[in-house]
Amino acid sequence: QVQLVQSGAEVKKPGASVKVSCKASGYTFTSYGISWVRQAPGQGLEWMGWISAYNGNTNYAQKLQGRVTMTTDTSTSTAYMELRSLRSDDTAVYYCARDVLVVVAAIGDYYYMDVWGKGTTVTVSS
Amino acid sequence: DIQMTQSPSSLSASVGDRVTITCRASQSISSYLNWYQQKPGKAPKLLIYAASSLQSGVPSRFSGSGSGTDFTLTISSLQPEDFATYYCQQSYSTLLFTFGPGTKVDIK
Repeated sequence: QVQLVQSGAEVKKPGASVKVSCKASGYTFTSYGISWVRQAPGQGLEWMGWISAYNGNTNYAQKLQGRVTMTTDTSTSTAYMELRSLRSDDTAVYYCARDVLVVVAAIGDYYYMDVWGKGTTVTVSS
Repeated sequence: DIQMTQSPSSLSASVGDRVTITCRASQSISSYLNWYQQKPGKAPKLLIYAASSLQSGVPSRFSGSGSGTDFTLTISSLQPEDFATYYCQQSYSTLLFTFGPGTKVDIK
């Protein structure tokens, strides 16, 4: 079955970096993109960015530009999200999700996230 | 950036009730709108994509409608397993997605 398996919980100090992995299985990795979404404790969902597993193209949320890097390793069907210069407000659960693209002729391109990892808790504390 | 709002932020309902959640975009997003359900401690689950298309495996009591700036998610007969938080998400801005703040549905 299609699944995304994320790496384990991390505890980091302010100013450090964290790299979360997301290993895909059950589908052709390079046929989809991967979005990263985070959720601070008791808060809503925040979209962080997207990476194409086909060619590595990325789009990042403006507020994270310069601090986040998303990459993929097609040989292992794994996506990575690295966040640098961590602050206490980066404490959150980080999710990866498979992005589906549906092209409807003469109408447009529809994206949605249909499969999600279980999440990785990142705690930033001194 | 496209901003998303949802109303109400929370609601209390009983099993069997018809529940409607509204999502509004700060500009027209055509039908580029998805809905997700999230239960405590769990990852979100896709319910509806492209405003009104039901994701495979999602019960038919869930439906979505709307276009432009105003959208609704309707649960025709609330079931015990439907108590959760619901989020809308726009995909109009290609690969610059945003979520609404969420609507929590709990037991009356």
